[in-house]
Amino acid sequence: NAGVMQNPRHLVRRRGQEARLRCSPMKGHSHVYWYRQLPEEGLKFMVYLQKENIIDESGMPKERFSAEFPKEGPSILRIQQVVRGDSAAYFCASRQGLYNEQFFGPGTRLTVL
Amino acid sequence: TQLLEQSPQFLSIQEGENLTVYCNSSSVFSSLQWYRQEPGEGPVLLVTVVTGGEVKKLKRLTFQFGDARKDSSLHITAAQPGDTGLYLCAGGKDGSSNTGKLIFGQGTTLQVKP
Repeated sequence: NAGVMQNPRHLVRRRGQEARLRCSPMKGHSHVYWYRQLPEEGLKFMVYLQKENIIDESGMPKERFSAEFPKEGPSILRIQQVVRGDSAAYFCASRQGLYNEQFFGPGTRLTVL
Repeated sequence: TQLLEQSPQFLSIQEGENLTVYCNSSSVFSSLQWYRQEPGEGPVLLVTVVTGGEVKKLKRLTFQFGDARKDSSLHITAAQPGDTGLYLCAGGKDGSSNTGKLIFGQGTTLQVKP
């Protein structure tokens, strides 16, 4: 999974600030997924994107969360007006095609004070 | 809601012992993946099973997909301290509404003591 890059690895925000998480998929991968993991739990799907398109956002909270995957550059997961409950590890995964395996990045650990 | 239930949630054993982790669901999955995750890192794919009844071996690890494709198991023989970590199963579905998203179990934390 070293091919999927995420930054920052650790992010600390105060309540009400914005958090911006970046994900660069593996070379040649055009499908990006974002998952959230709470302490000692499995991962929960948030959103699935292809270049310039949101395909499935059924796991995204209705407010404050947004995601994009522009034609150029990394995918961005944005959380506005963060609250303590947003503290979690956020993982990005990429795959080459719809039926290929997903490879995960190292994650961004978000802490909201 | 499609759920994957993993058991046990926590397992602490001595080096050399055998163990089995289970992953069960009431839903049918077209594929089942097993991942291993170490603290502070992302999940690393161990295996993918796609055929009901399929058995795959990876050194001391044996993975099985149930005949009905609703459950899976991971068996580790002669566990070693290096096997310590969080083991996650994840299911995927095919079909016209499939977007490739994975449904994860809650994980099994394994500790192997020397």
